[in-house]
Amino acid sequence: IAGITQAPTSQILAAGRRMTLRCTQDMRHNAMYWYRQDLGLGLRLIHYSNTAGTTGKGEVPDGYSVSRANTDDFPLTLASAVPSQTSVYFCASSDSSGGPTDTQYFGPGTRLTVL
Amino acid sequence: GQNIDQPTEMTATEGAIVQINCTYQTSGFNGLFWYQQHAGEAPTFLSYNVLDGLEEKGRFSSFLSRSKGYSYLLLKELQMKDSASYLCAPVDSNYQLIWGAGTKLIIKP
Repeated sequence: IAGITQAPTSQILAAGRRMTLRCTQDMRHNAMYWYRQDLGLGLRLIHYSNTAGTTGKGEVPDGYSVSRANTDDFPLTLASAVPSQTSVYFCASSDSSGGPTDTQYFGPGTRLTVL
Repeated sequence: GQNIDQPTEMTATEGAIVQINCTYQTSGFNGLFWYQQHAGEAPTFLSYNVLDGLEEKGRFSSFLSRSKGYSYLLLKELQMKDSASYLCAPVDSNYQLIWGAGTKLIIKP
């Protein structure tokens, strides 16, 4: 069982380019999340999805979009990357069948640099 | 507003005990998570407290006082592999985790 996979592992991107970060989980978890982690700051929620077909905005959604066509996949798209989007991006999932505070499990992260 | 306060960095000696404190102010409260994050890796779950008191899990214990907005993580018999950042994350009224910046723990031989 792989758990959660993310791709790519790292990427250098020119400003203005479009980029999709991929996230796939094989645990059949209902809920999925995208966070960014910047030095000196806590993880900040970008977007989330409580179940396939639904998405919601987190703390820092501007400049990002997500989709949840099925249970397993939750891609994050930067429509037109800017240098302030340089960060480490983590995808996470949780079962949520036992309640909304179920443990979140994280993917290995994508290190994105926007020049 | 919502605020999480934990020390930026702590140093401890192998074999010793260390306590990492976390104070929080959130809109509502639905429990508190502690995660461990090694450098360059993903956060991994350590503990979840929703009721006041101490919960012990092997070398790690976590304490919660809801009335004081306070939690701590206690690590015993420290090992070099415990060198990592420890993230405190209370859950607010919308069931969102509010993440602290983390405490970097350095273990010295």
